[in-house]
Amino acid sequence: EAGVAQSPRYKIIEKRQSVAFWCNPISGHATLYWYQQILGQGPKLLIQFQNNGVVDDSQLPKDRFSAERLKGVDSTLKIQPAKLEDSAVYLCASRKQGDEQFFGPGTRLTVL
Amino acid sequence: GEDVEQSLFLSVREGDSSVINCTYTDSSSTYLYWYKQEPGAGLQLLTYIFSNMDMKQDQRLTVLLNKKDKHLSLRIADTQTGDSAIYFCAETPKVGRDDKIIFGKGTRLHILP
Repeated sequence: EAGVAQSPRYKIIEKRQSVAFWCNPISGHATLYWYQQILGQGPKLLIQFQNNGVVDDSQLPKDRFSAERLKGVDSTLKIQPAKLEDSAVYLCASRKQGDEQFFGPGTRLTVL
Repeated sequence: GEDVEQSLFLSVREGDSSVINCTYTDSSSTYLYWYKQEPGAGLQLLTYIFSNMDMKQDQRLTVLLNKKDKHLSLRIADTQTGDSAIYFCAETPKVGRDDKIIFGKGTRLHILP
């Protein structure tokens, strides 16, 4: 079974630029999560989807971050405009009912 | 409130046992987890324990839960070089959604030859 796929793996941008990350969850997983992991810290949940609906986006900085999962499968996370403090690894995870969360390898973002 | 604390570093000689400790604040936590993160990789669930259990053993891994003190530990027997990674303690608070996971900052395990 293929795991959670994310792209790109690495991205370097300048502050005030825009960036987008893509996640393809494990087939059949209705729940999808985006986490932000700043260096030296544990992952922090940004947003959770159940199919194509948002379950929890309370920690998402909505003035600059947005995410969508239009068809209930793939998801994109966008930052516009990026700030220096957005430098982090962005992890995507997916889960089916009653099972554990499976994590992708992450996208490492560096904002200069 | 929801908070998970763990020490940041641990060095252990190859072949010895590693013990990684964690404290949490939410007494209503349902599940407590240990995740492993190797360089450049995502998080891998190592093991978990339900809050009504005291101990769980899985091959070289032993999890101990002291619910009274809100203390969780992970013991890795016969530590190998492949165990070198960051280990995250995490909890699922009972209040709110049952699949929300709160992570600690991680303990970096370094294996000495």
